[in-house]
Amino acid sequence: ETGVTQTPRHLVMGMTNKKSLKCEQHLGHNAMYWYKQSAKKPLELMFVYNFKEQTENNSVPSRFSPECPNSSHLFLHLHTLQPEDSALYLCASSLTADGGGETQYFGPGTRLLVL
Amino acid sequence: AQTVTQSQPEMSVQEAETVTLSCTYDTSENNYYLFWYKQPPSRQMILVIRQEAYKQQNATENRFSVNFQKAAKSFSLKISDSQLGDTAMYFCAFSRGSTLGRLYFGRGTQLTVWP
Repeated sequence: ETGVTQTPRHLVMGMTNKKSLKCEQHLGHNAMYWYKQSAKKPLELMFVYNFKEQTENNSVPSRFSPECPNSSHLFLHLHTLQPEDSALYLCASSLTADGGGETQYFGPGTRLLVL
Repeated sequence: AQTVTQSQPEMSVQEAETVTLSCTYDTSENNYYLFWYKQPPSRQMILVIRQEAYKQQNATENRFSVNFQKAAKSFSLKISDSQLGDTAMYFCAFSRGSTLGRLYFGRGTQLTVWP
């Protein structure tokens, strides 16, 4: 499989559930990103990992917990979410995040609904 | 702070015609990169075109070209010979040359191509 894959594609969870989103890239990249895409709002960067190290946390609530065990895999662990967290969560990767200008390649996203 | 503005929430064009999507940005940086991404109904974000600010020549990719006006901080996308498959949300994005891969996105323009 090539490119950036995300699982699951759709997820419905209650506010007390714990779930995880998975992202995998097959491009040999070293940087991975989580974005949140809500209706009527610009894409919001959540986290950046560069060579497995978290380099940016964009003031994301602690109910979102990222994990990057290696350069190919990125997880987003979810617990006690709120209905306003319902959104499309996009994963992306790039060769590095050492400087600007690197093209980011996106996965298809996970559509999350919090009830 | 970097901001990206797309002033056209929606646009439509007839198949085979040409359409231009507008984007302006605000930055004090001199070294930066600009991107147009396309998000079709499948939700997979796909890179359309990339421009380096230090290059005066406008980037082109087949039917897609940009008009980069650095002094005016304008970065419009022209789609020639529009096709039904061009129907998508188009996002303009900005990346600083110096820092850790962060992309700043506009709110997007929904383009519909009619037969």
